[in-house]
Amino acid sequence: KAGVTQTPRYLIKTRGQQVTLSCSPISGHRSVSWYQQTPGQGLQFLFEYFSETQRNKGNFPGRFSGRQFSNSRSEMNVSTLELGDSALYLCASSTGQVINYGYTFGSGTRLTVV
Amino acid sequence: AQKVTQAQTEISVVEKEDVTLDCVYETRDTTYYLFWYKQPPSGELVFLIRRNSFDEQNEISGRYSWNFQKSTSSFNFTITASQVVDSAVYFCALSEAYMRFGAGTRLTVKP
Repeated sequence: KAGVTQTPRYLIKTRGQQVTLSCSPISGHRSVSWYQQTPGQGLQFLFEYFSETQRNKGNFPGRFSGRQFSNSRSEMNVSTLELGDSALYLCASSTGQVINYGYTFGSGTRLTVV
Repeated sequence: AQKVTQAQTEISVVEKEDVTLDCVYETRDTTYYLFWYKQPPSGELVFLIRRNSFDEQNEISGRYSWNFQKSTSSFNFTITASQVVDSAVYFCALSEAYMRFGAGTRLTVKP
């Protein structure tokens, strides 16, 4: 059974650009959540998508957005990149009952903004 | 608001020592789930254990054991006879609508 796949693994962008990260969940999982991990703020919840609908949202500015496709694959987009957006972005998939069964995480996309 | 506190930022032990990682949580819910995850240098968070709020039984899995005490809102994790491969960052998490993580404890096991 394939795990959670995130692409790309590494990304370098210039301030002001935009970026799109991709996540393919475990087959059969309908929930995809995104987290930002930085040394200063730790793991912070961005948003969760379930059956193509955003179900929960963290406290991030509107520059951070996401979507989910009918095959459960998800993308997150960050527009007008800032230096502070440099982080490890982790995707997590779940059957949908996150509070019961928790997440399976991908290896992450490490974004560096210069 | 719910909160997860891992007061130990970094712990360093010598191989074969026992080590306990502390986790204290706050929630107003009567039903909730607690988790521990391990993050090795590769970056991927690896699930270790899940515990619901109604199950206060301690659990042992090989060299790992977990002590859940609702009265003190703690869910501590002990590694017995630590090994170099246990070196990682360990996260405790509390789940309601989504999973809220503690700041993590970086464990270094020296040979």
